[in-house]
Amino acid sequence: AQTVTQSQPEMSVQEAETVTLSCTYDTSENNYYLFWYKQPPSRQMILVIRQEAYKQQNATENRFSVNFQKAAKSFSLKISDSQLGDTAMYFCAFMIWYTGTASKLTFGTGTRLQVTL
Amino acid sequence: NAGVMQNPRHLVRRRGQEARLRCSPMKGHSHVYWYRQLPEEGLKFMVYLQKENIIDESGMPKERFSAEFPKEGPSILRIQQVVRGDSAAYFCASSRYRGNTEAFFGQGTRLTVV
Repeated sequence: AQTVTQSQPEMSVQEAETVTLSCTYDTSENNYYLFWYKQPPSRQMILVIRQEAYKQQNATENRFSVNFQKAAKSFSLKISDSQLGDTAMYFCAFMIWYTGTASKLTFGTGTRLQVTL
Repeated sequence: NAGVMQNPRHLVRRRGQEARLRCSPMKGHSHVYWYRQLPEEGLKFMVYLQKENIIDESGMPKERFSAEFPKEGPSILRIQQVVRGDSAAYFCASSRYRGNTEAFFGQGTRLTVV
């Protein structure tokens, strides 16, 4: 079975600063995807960034980037130039990829990020 | 193009009643996932459906819970004889085809059992 661990229940960062959220996972599979989702107070789950396990290059989406260490099974999210609108719960998630077939997401317990003035 | 629509947003049921949660996927999407989020926890997978088929129900409790996704109409998650422990937020996500790794989420239904 796959597990996803987020060891930081809460974090705080000042506006315009950089913050890194940690995530580790455990799997015996070789083909998988990793995700970071954002859940603001509205409860809507929003995809922030996605990483294919077979790609060595770290994914980047504007101010969001990941540090993917496959051997260490680590997948951290870096938010640069933090904005007040980044305040939310952030969930790390894992998906096994079978040939041509996506599967269910396995989520971590989340990190609550507060961006302050 | 409307997103994934879930209704109702909030649902209150007394213990022993039935709860029906609806999910209309994005236009052109024929795959639906249901997840449950207990307070202060991450989302937990319940069931994965394609139109008229259940693909993976490994996360569904064995009793009282059922799900369907008919050829026409929304996907329905049905909880019979609700108990206090069923109180949670229930999320639906949809994707266009089976190989698509990006699933779009609805805003969830918060079920409260009193």
